[in-house]
Amino acid sequence: QQQVKQSPQSLIVQKGGISIINCAYENTAFDYFPWYQQFPGKGPALLIAIRPDVSEKKEGRFTISFNKSAKQFSLHIMDSQPGDSATYFCAAAGTSYGKLTFGQGTILTVHP
Amino acid sequence: DAGITQSPRHKVTETGTPVTLRCHQTENHRYMYWYRQDPGHGLRLIHYSYGVKDTDKGEVSDGYSVSRSKTEDFLLTLESATSSQTSVYFCAIRAGGDSNQPQHFGDGTRLSIL
Repeated sequence: QQQVKQSPQSLIVQKGGISIINCAYENTAFDYFPWYQQFPGKGPALLIAIRPDVSEKKEGRFTISFNKSAKQFSLHIMDSQPGDSATYFCAAAGTSYGKLTFGQGTILTVHP
Repeated sequence: DAGITQSPRHKVTETGTPVTLRCHQTENHRYMYWYRQDPGHGLRLIHYSYGVKDTDKGEVSDGYSVSRSKTEDFLLTLESATSSQTSVYFCAIRAGGDSNQPQHFGDGTRLSIL
């Protein structure tokens, strides 16, 4: 049972373009929504996170947009760079021990 | 880095053998987690711990057991490994408190079961 659905599976963007990755969740008890970035051979690293009491959070070139009524959230990477090429995971957690439910992942390739 | 060491980093073993993976943290965090990563599935929670000797099952716990006898160590055991347990295993830690305390991950153990 996949409670967090992520799309697209893969994404190719030109340098300087905008990368957009979308996630949808089912469990209304989720109250914490992080995004992780993973490079080959490494563990996922926290990129940015949001709580459902705000609709948008921005950190540098990375922005999370959150739509509570639609149960959807998305990651926008502005001015995408080749160094952003990685796998991105959305996730969600409720109050129960901080357990994360992950989306399936998106492989982002940024061409120079 | 978040002070998490996973060992071994790579292991190849045969079906039916027992396997133990170790996660060691230097952060004195209360919560520890084991996930497996498989293509098309993202990361899925196997077991987690909320204190010494306090553990519980996650989404995909069948065939796995865990132990936590010290704050810093969380062990994952495959009692009799099967080919379906070939995967990359990640340990994560979290300080606790508020539910939005972030989880930090180790660099994983790549396990192949032949």
